[in-house]
Formats: sequence, C-alpha cells, structure tokens
Amino acid sequence: DTAVSQTPKYLVTQMGNDKSIKCEQNLGHDTMYWYKQDSKKFLKIMFSYNNKELIINETVPNRFSPKSPDKAHLNLHINSLELGDSAVYFCASSQVNEKLFFGSGTQLSVL
Amino acid sequence: SQQGEEDPQALSIQEGENATMNCSYKTSINNLQWYRQNSGRGLVHLILIRSNEREKHSGRLRVTLDTSKKSSSLLITASRAADTASYFCATASNTDKLIFGTGTRLQVFP
Repeated sequence: DTAVSQTPKYLVTQMGNDKSIKCEQNLGHDTMYWYKQDSKKFLKIMFSYNNKELIINETVPNRFSPKSPDKAHLNLHINSLELGDSAVYFCASSQVNEKLFFGSGTQLSVL
Repeated sequence: SQQGEEDPQALSIQEGENATMNCSYKTSINNLQWYRQNSGRGLVHLILIRSNEREKHSGRLRVTLDTSKKSSSLLITASRAADTASYFCATASNTDKLIFGTGTRLQVFP
C-alpha cells in the first residue's frame, strides 16, 4: 500500500526526447509537489498543486509541464530533454504546511 | 533561494555516540521539519517542530528550535549503523512550499 508512488524508477533517454513521469498518492492529501535533487543532493521545489490547481511554479524552464488530472495525481512532462535535466525527481504530497510524504524518486539520465 | 543551510556537511561517528546536526534559516517560519534520506531512496519525515515550540522529542531524536537565532538542531542519541543517511532540515513559511536545507551526510560505523 504505497502512499506516494511514482513511475518509472529509472529513465534513460537521449537528448531532445520528450518523457513523462507519473505520480499518484492515496493519502487523500490536497497538495502535491515535484522536487528535483541534483548530483550534490540539493533538493529544490519545482511545482506545487493544490486540489488540481497550480500554486507554485518556481523558475523552471517551460519545457517542464506538470499536469494534475485530479488531486490524487500529478504528472510531469518534459519536452526536448537536455543533459542538465539529469537528476532525481521526487513527487511528494501533504496537507498544507504539514509533513511531506515522498515517492521513491525517478532517476533521469539524459545521454 | 535556499532557505536552510546545514552544518556539518558530513559527520562520521561510532555506534553508540550521539550525532548533532544544525540548521540555520533566513526568514520567519511556521514550522521546521527534519527528514532522513537513505541512499537511493526518497525522503522520510522524522519530526516537525512549530515556531512556538522550543524542543521536541521522538524516540532517540531530539529537536530544538531557536527562532531568535533562526536555527535548529537535531540530536540523535545512541546512534546505530542503521542511522547512516543524509539528514535534511526544511522550513515552511506562509506559502505552500517547503524549502530544504543542504543536508548533512551522517556515517555511523559499527
């Protein structure tokens, strides 16, 4: 009964391709997030959705487009992948200002 | 911008010793949280301390918060090899985002 599940766990792709990462939570939380963790383990928020509405959009290239079909799902689509996009992407969910529950991460490698 | 900075960046201790990690932040907060990340895994929430609290305990974990100094510390007592992980502080302000610190890598030797 995984609380926050994201797929795939590993994603290896060529530069210029388009890829998606899916995330689902079964905790009934209103808020979902995408975080990016770089090779130095620095964790930075990318997006946040509250009940399907975008509420946080950090300085992220518009090649990254989140989509929330319902409050239990938040997917991340990335167009025209670049080498610098290689990182681990984490989905998370929470109630506002409460603790986050993280998925196990998607390690993206762009070749 | 990065809200929290942690110190030390890396810490190596023997089993049974205590480990202390510090976190400093810049702006006013609603709460501060600590997370653990084992290698290759997602982050796991450890403890949350609200801005009107000064100390909180959970098992072998003790967290303090000094809002006047904008700092927090995490103490792990009687450490075990299984405590080996990276530890992150994260601050929640009046927005909906949780901003993470730079992390402390803890290595506990058996």
